[in-house]
Amino acid sequence: QQPVQSPQAVILREGEDAVINCSSSKALYSVHWYRQKHGEAPVFLMILLKGGEQKGHDKISASFNEKKQQSSLYLTASQLSYSGTYFCGTEIPGHASGGSYIPTFGRGTSLIVHP
Amino acid sequence: EAQVTQNPRYLITVTGKKLTVTCSQNMNHEYMSWYRQDPGLGLRQIYYSMNVEVTDKGDVPEGYKVSRKEKRNFPLILESPSPNQTSLYFCASSLDRGGNQPQHFGDGTRLSIL
Repeated sequence: QQPVQSPQAVILREGEDAVINCSSSKALYSVHWYRQKHGEAPVFLMILLKGGEQKGHDKISASFNEKKQQSSLYLTASQLSYSGTYFCGTEIPGHASGGSYIPTFGRGTSLIVHP
Repeated sequence: EAQVTQNPRYLITVTGKKLTVTCSQNMNHEYMSWYRQDPGLGLRQIYYSMNVEVTDKGDVPEGYKVSRKEKRNFPLILESPSPNQTSLYFCASSLDRGGNQPQHFGDGTRLSIL
């Protein structure tokens, strides 16, 4: 079951903040966040495993709500280098055969940061 | 350098001509998977493998085959490619169960089926 990301696109100026949301109708085992620059491979940002968890580095952070059905990615004081498409990847417990967990990705959120 | 290597990076071919996209990782990862990426649809999982000789279908497996004879390699096979398989393909690997391990992606293979 593909997670739902919102918004589909965000346009901002350098220094502004953005929030990208990722939600599921079922409780999740984990949430992954990746960023993809045009024409390149997705690059791992972070994984959240526990309800209520928050983590981050530099000015990019994420949270996982208590019910483990929604995660948000926070980009603070955006830089030009933050431009790209952001994907969340989720696992639903027992979703795959044999108990394996391979992320199912959302459709992505395109972030454009202007000077 | 730890990496996932895909070949070829670009391929233009014709309908019905069998092709193989290779994927190799040098990190001794157990899990490997293939995704296709189409505009507006995100990354959709084709097949994945939990270990040697263990593979399973993802969300869009029709028209594709895979094999995992060695831990490091996970080729994607299109026996009779069709135009609707024109897409950008990514191979990924992770250390073990993907839930708490990051996915390492290859650089992608852009396939055009005419």
